Formats: sequence, C-alpha cells, structure tokens
Amino acid sequence: GAGVSQSPSNKVTEKGKDVELRCDPISGHTALYWYRQSLGQGLEFLIYFQGNSAPDKSGLPSDRFSAERTGGSVSTLTIQRTQQEDSAVYLCASSLGVPHSSYEQYFGPGTRLTVT
Amino acid sequence: QQQVKQSPQSLIVQKGGISIINCAYENTAFDYFPWYQQFPGKGPALLIAIRPDVSEKKEGRFTISFNKSAKQFSLHIMDSQPGDSATYFCAALNAGGTSYGKLTFGQGTILTVHP
Repeated sequence: GAGVSQSPSNKVTEKGKDVELRCDPISGHTALYWYRQSLGQGLEFLIYFQGNSAPDKSGLPSDRFSAERTGGSVSTLTIQRTQQEDSAVYLCASSLGVPHSSYEQYFGPGTRLTVT
Repeated sequence: QQQVKQSPQSLIVQKGGISIINCAYENTAFDYFPWYQQFPGKGPALLIAIRPDVSEKKEGRFTISFNKSAKQFSLHIMDSQPGDSATYFCAALNAGGTSYGKLTFGQGTILTVHP
C-alpha cells in the first residue's frame, strides 16, 4: 500500500504560535516514530509509539513539544509557542514493531517548519 | 555525546568508482545497523541493514562491512552511478533496550558521483 504520509509538506509560522504536524503511518505498522532533521543537529529522535504502550518521549527537547497517537494509527506532533530554533524538517517513520522483531523504519517525506 | 560518528562529511567519486563511507559507534548494546539514502526534499530511504552476527551483507551494488571488535561498520557502493548522488546516513539501534526503536544517526555523508 501507500507509504508514510505527512502533512503539511511545508509550514511557515510566526514565533510564539502553536503548530500541529500530522503523520499517517503505513497500514499495519504498530510502531511510529518522530525525528527532527536540522543542519546543526543532524537527525534526532524525538518520540516513539508502540501500540498502546506508553510512548518513549526521551528525545523531546522541551515541554513545548508533545505528540499523540489516536486509535493506534495517525499521530500529531504539536509544538507550542514556537521558537526560531524549532525550524527544521520533522520526519515521521513507522515500522512493524513488536513482536515482529522487524526494525526496519520507513520514513515519510517530512514537514519543513520555518519559524519567522 | 555523539554515539555514531560518520566520515567523510562529503565524498566525490567518478562514475564506475567505489564509494566508501565509514561509521564508528560507542554503545556496545547497539545490535542493528541500517544505512539510509536521502535525496533533496525527500525522507530517508532504507538502503541496507546488518545485524552484528555477520561481518558482511551485500545487496546488489551495496555492501555493508561490519567489524564488531573495532565497533565500526562501512558502506561500499560498487560501480557508483550519478544517480547514487545523495546524502547517506548510517544509524544504530539497541533492539533489546528500553529505547527500542530509537535510531541514533551519524552526521551524514554527501556523495557526488561525477559522470
């Protein structure tokens, strides 16, 4: 079927505004990940969802960042009170997850966020 | 602390040549090592991956060599083509840890293959 999709593809927002980024994983994939890609920091892990388990939030850079996954499928990454340093490409990935022992993560095209 | 170090930052190769990108890791708990290829404006695409129980894995023109004792692994692209020009990322994951699923990436290598 279709790959991982993300929306919007581009988002320009003013400093201090809140933004929501959406990810639709591959159908049947129970694991979903968010990463951030920026020039200075490369590719950084943000958060990981596996089924109905509590998410691994260890990569979220501040409490302005949060994410949820509804119905075990679609996920939304929310950034509150955006700052210029939040400008980056936000990537979503999905995988078959536990208990398939498949670690292959498939990435979406990303959302490019620009904070002015 | 950067746990996966990748080199070189950029690489220029002539068409038909061999491209070699190297990565070194620190965390001995890592047990899955993928390579990703990324074109401008696109998300990373999984290219090839290896587990530490083998020293080499080949898929077409792409080969991963793995040295567990040295904590190093490398990507070899044989007969490099202009279409291979992209950014390549190595990564590592601890499948058995509490952070299952968390990929730690190298800094990336920009590969340019000249016709």
